[in-house]
Amino acid sequence: KQEVTQIPAALSVPEGENLVLNCSFTDSAIYNLQWFRQDPGKGLTSLLLIQSSQREQTSGRLNASLDKSSGRSTLYIAASQPGDSATYLCAANTGANSKLTFGKGITLSVRP
Amino acid sequence: DAGITQSPRHKVTETGTPVTLRCHQTENHRYMYWYRQDPGHGLRLIHYSYGVKDTDKGEVSDGYSVSRSKTEDFLLTLESATSSQTSVYFCATGTLSTDTQYFGPGTRLTVL
Repeated sequence: KQEVTQIPAALSVPEGENLVLNCSFTDSAIYNLQWFRQDPGKGLTSLLLIQSSQREQTSGRLNASLDKSSGRSTLYIAASQPGDSATYLCAANTGANSKLTFGKGITLSVRP
Repeated sequence: DAGITQSPRHKVTETGTPVTLRCHQTENHRYMYWYRQDPGHGLRLIHYSYGVKDTDKGEVSDGYSVSRSKTEDFLLTLESATSSQTSVYFCATGTLSTDTQYFGPGTRLTVL
């Protein structure tokens, strides 16, 4: 059974800092790894999807990497802003009908 | 995102009553999913559908049933609601087995 872990559960940083959010998974037989953002009281918004054959994906100030062999993914946020404050979830896709296994998320607070 | 609506958005009900949550999409996505999100547990898959009338169980399916008679609608039914089913329920859709998922705004259900 796939298990996805995100540590720490919460993180507070000053504005402008570059930061890395970690995600680990137990079963390396994944099709892809996805990162989502969730604002309070809202649904999830997809940020980045890394296919199993890829090492990283970039979108603006966000960069996600994937190391299947070690069961790890990281989300790098450059020059953080207060608007980046949200909960960030990673999810592993094991392929069977695209079912996702989610981590519990990291709640990020960027202080002005 | 992806034209996903959920109804109702909020519901309070009593233990033992039946409850049906509706997910409607306008994107003609093949895959549809129901998740519940609880503090300390994160997002967990309840049921999913890979086509009209094609459904299967997820991680936490006990006490829930689903139906999908049309591509655009996916219904989640709690036959006899219990307090442990108090949660926020999210619907999601997807196009291919390795694509990202698009989430609805969620339904907050309280079972008294």
